[in-house]
Amino acid sequence: QQPVQSPQAVILREGEDAVINCSSSKALYSVHWYRQKHGEAPVFLMILLKGGEQKGHDKISASFNEKKQQSSLYLTASQLSYSGTYFCGTSGGSQGNLIFGKGTKLSVKP
Amino acid sequence: DTGVSQNPRHKITKRGQNVTFRCDPISEHNRLYWYRQTLGQGPEFLTYFQNEAQLEKSRLLSDRFSAERPKGSFSTLEIQRTEQGDSAMYLCASSLANRVIGTEAFFGQGTRLTVV
Repeated sequence: QQPVQSPQAVILREGEDAVINCSSSKALYSVHWYRQKHGEAPVFLMILLKGGEQKGHDKISASFNEKKQQSSLYLTASQLSYSGTYFCGTSGGSQGNLIFGKGTKLSVKP
Repeated sequence: DTGVSQNPRHKITKRGQNVTFRCDPISEHNRLYWYRQTLGQGPEFLTYFQNEAQLEKSRLLSDRFSAERPKGSFSTLEIQRTEQGDSAMYLCASSLANRVIGTEAFFGQGTRLTVV
């Protein structure tokens, strides 16, 4: 089943923070986060595996709560380059074929 | 390593015609995936290969769709008797499978299909 992302859209000023959530009704093996800019391919951000780990990449980090079947993506001190649509992709096994949510559109304004 | 390459980038076809897309994955990546994306939606899984073996097909994939990866390198996706509902961006992704750890998939730029 398709994971549910929230919010659907968010508008930020440069420097503000945002949280994007991803929840699934199925047990998850991994959660993958991607960002896609208009007309471009999705770009991989990070992968989280079951175990409740948290990862960070520059000012973007994510957590994965296996028991709640939820993941959150944290963007701090947002930059204009963060604008785009963020997708979470979930997998119930190690096969790697992902089921993506509908996306969260993030707009960062100067 | 030039990333995942897809050809053509754009395809306009008349309803009822057959179309074929090609994907060249990152070299040495043994997994290859096909996704379809429509406006405002996330990528929708179609099928995936590990080497030359097609391991899974989505139930959404009708009999008009067929994919091959004959030598475990490039892949083709063919749509027969195209319908207007087939209009979408077709994305290919590849990854290096690791039995223990989940692996990231890298996407190509996609082939945008328009059926008129």
